[in-house]
Order: sequence, then C-alpha cells, then structure tokens
Amino acid sequence: DIQMTQSPSSLSASVGDRVTITCRASQGISNYLAWYQQKPGKVPQLLIYAASTLQSGVPSRFSGSGSGTDFTLTISSLQPEDVATYYCQKYNSAPWTFGQGTKVEIK
Amino acid sequence: EVQLLESGGGLVQPGGSLRLSCAASGFTFSSYAMNWVRQAPGKGLEWVSTISASGGTTYYADSVKGRFSISRDNSKNTMYLQMNSLRAEDTAVYYCAKSAWGAASGSTFDYWGQGTLVTVSS
Repeated sequence: DIQMTQSPSSLSASVGDRVTITCRASQGISNYLAWYQQKPGKVPQLLIYAASTLQSGVPSRFSGSGSGTDFTLTISSLQPEDVATYYCQKYNSAPWTFGQGTKVEIK
Repeated sequence: EVQLLESGGGLVQPGGSLRLSCAASGFTFSSYAMNWVRQAPGKGLEWVSTISASGGTTYYADSVKGRFSISRDNSKNTMYLQMNSLRAEDTAVYYCAKSAWGAASGSTFDYWGQGTLVTVSS
C-alpha cells in the first residue's frame, strides 16, 4: 500500500506568516491528493482536492501544489482561525490513506 | 443541504458487536459512494471502509478486514457498519463521509457527519 508522510508534525507561526506543509506519497498518485482541515473539537473539512483545486468557500490564502509523490499546502498569511490539524489524503484508489497530520498553532 | 447523521455508537466489551448507521439527506444518496473514517482519541484520521453507490463493491482497511462489514439501503438513504470482534484499539469516533463524485475510486470526501463514539472496554 502507498504510505502518506506529512512534515512537519507540528508548527508554530505568527499571524501573517507564510506556512508550508509537505505531504509525500511512497509511490506516484498523479494529482489524486486532498487536504483537510480539522479545527479543535470539530469535524474534518475538505480544503483542497486534485492537489490544487480549492473547495468552494475556502479562503484564497490556502493553496496547494504538487503532482506524483510530492505535494504542498501553503497558507499565505496565517490567521487565528487557521489553528487546526491538517491532513493530506490519497484518493486514486483503495486504501484512501491519510497522512499523520500537521498541527498548526499560533506563536 | 447535505446532512449525514451517525448513530449506534456506545460502550461495548472486547469481543462484542455494534452496528453503526449513517442517515443521509440533501442529495441523491443512491448516486454516491459512501465511506467510514475513524479517529481514535487524540490521534489522526484513519480510513475504515468504502461502499460503492450501488452497494455492489466494498473496500476495507486491513485493520478491520474480516471483522467489519459495510452495507447500505438506498431505499432508506442509510449506510451501515457492522462491527464484530471488537478490540480496544477500535475505540474511536466513527465518521461517515460522502464521496465527492459518484465513483469510489478517484473521489475524495466532501461532506462529513458529526461522528459517533465507539468505546471498547471491559
């Protein structure tokens, strides 16, 4: 099975900072990569699919890039409401594996 | 408005069984694959199982294969997860999630329910 590895596991940044999270697949998955945001105590929400397409309603400060095995989620200007854990997920075929998550906090 | 409502969670002893339900509304249920995802306390997301729109094809994580069974009743807009031979490590919040497109493969999860807690403990 393809493994999904995120880095870092956690990060702390200041409001307004540019934040980058990386997700690496153990084998190529084309652009079948999604990002989810889970705020504390809340349900996961789809942020980005097809590696770079923003889900409806997601602020434009979020962006995604990559293809094949290496992917990136970027928050261009971190806001207090972005405090959450972010997960990548492969969805080309079973199993629909998630990364281990990256916890984002405000410094 | 898409709504997914899980039920059936609770406390069960190791080796016991439980059946979860996910009642769907706000979309044409029979046209979409559906999924179960779980999250152990303080841990990350783990995909559990997926069922095709017709119910004819099912997929399972290795961790639950042979113990869990996914099904759906399109006449009732409801999906189920029958969980047998439960273990302590199955303790988690179980979410149902809708596939964004009709097919299972190539589809991510665009709507999630609020989750139901399953606790396996003696």
